[in-house]
Amino acid sequence: DQQVKQNSPSLSVQEGRISILNCDYTNSMFDYFLWYKKYPAEGPTFLISISSIKDKNEDGRFTVFLNKSAKHLSLHIVPSQPGDSAVYFCAATPSGSARQLTFGSGTQLTVLP
Amino acid sequence: DSGVTQTPKHLITATGQRVTLRCSPRSGDLSVYWYQQSLDQGLQFLIQYYNGEERAKGNILERFSAQQFPDLHSELNLSSLELGDSALYFCASSGIIAGNTDTQYFGPGTRLTVL
Repeated sequence: DQQVKQNSPSLSVQEGRISILNCDYTNSMFDYFLWYKKYPAEGPTFLISISSIKDKNEDGRFTVFLNKSAKHLSLHIVPSQPGDSAVYFCAATPSGSARQLTFGSGTQLTVLP
Repeated sequence: DSGVTQTPKHLITATGQRVTLRCSPRSGDLSVYWYQQSLDQGLQFLIQYYNGEERAKGNILERFSAQQFPDLHSELNLSSLELGDSALYFCASSGIIAGNTDTQYFGPGTRLTVL
């Protein structure tokens, strides 16, 4: 049972345009959501996060939107750059003292020059 | 550089053997997490320690065990290794640096190959 789903395995975007990566979750206990970027043979790199008490968080070119009623979040990258090409993972953690992450399967973003 | 270090970077061993993976968290972080990334399973949570105590367990096999030492570094022990244990093993840490207790920062991983 996949509690965090990223339904698009891949996404190609032209440089300078907006990249939108989507993520859905099923567990109502999740209250903190994160996006990580990953290159092959490297560890995930933290990008941006959002608490369930917010619906938007922005950091430079990265914005995360959370729609709790739809159990959906999205990552917007504007403008997209070739260096953004990587696998992006959505992750969620439940409320409580155990804060383990449940990851989606990832989306391969390719930004074309 | 996340500040989390893992050794060794690569490990090649045979079935039935035992190995130890080591992780040093970011300075001051009290929580350490272990994750496994295999080709068909994605990133899966194994176990969490907080200040030396086990806090949560995920899909960790009985052949696997972990501990966190007083200096907060952690070790993941994998025994009676099988071919299917070949994977990338990541350590992550979180703490109260910059007031954020929830964001986990990942190490570069250990690639385990079981032949």
